[in-house]
Amino acid sequence: DQQVKQNSPSLSVQEGRISILNCDYTNSMFDYFLWYKKYPAEGPTFLISISSIKDKNEDGRFTVFLNKSAKHLSLHIVPSQPGDSAVYFCAASSGGSNYKLTFGKGTLLTVNP
Amino acid sequence: EPEVTQTPSHQVTQMGQEVILRCVPISNHLYFYWYRQILGQKVEFLVSFYNNEISEKSEIFDDQFSVERPDGSNFTLKIRSTKLEDSAMYFCASREGQVPIWTGAFFGQGTRLTVV
Repeated sequence: DQQVKQNSPSLSVQEGRISILNCDYTNSMFDYFLWYKKYPAEGPTFLISISSIKDKNEDGRFTVFLNKSAKHLSLHIVPSQPGDSAVYFCAASSGGSNYKLTFGKGTLLTVNP
Repeated sequence: EPEVTQTPSHQVTQMGQEVILRCVPISNHLYFYWYRQILGQKVEFLVSFYNNEISEKSEIFDDQFSVERPDGSNFTLKIRSTKLEDSAMYFCASREGQVPIWTGAFFGQGTRLTVV
């Protein structure tokens, strides 16, 4: 059951360049998508989200794009910084009162100085 | 900043033993969750808890699992008879009741459970 897929287990970019992390989903009932960041020995930390009725949400260096017809979303980090090095999880929710999240496997981002 | 705390950070237990994982959610939060991540796999939903009862559980959350909020501050996950395949990182999470989904949930740092 892979309703949320992150096909790239890792990504390496140079400091100052753009990082693009991708996520695909299969469940059309998902209406919110979230990105979490996780450092080693810490829990996931909420980063940014987007509603299915939007196609873009921006927060500082982080922008999430949603292509609903392709069931694809991406997280752009510009410019990338070494402190951004972490595992990034894509997650989705179909709303309802429980707000449970369905996660992807994560992508390890390494930003090289 | 308020945070979700989990204890212990690492628990080693023998197969067949009972284990209790503890969590202290953020104090004004109303929804509580347990997720787990088996090494190399995705984070999986186990159970959600609201108003002192389970509101949803996954197929992973069988009769060996139970949750409890014994004293209004702690939130525990009990595994009655651990199996080798229960070895995973277990995350507790909480969220406020009235904020929308797009604000996300707060996660604890996790408890690594190793069943030997």
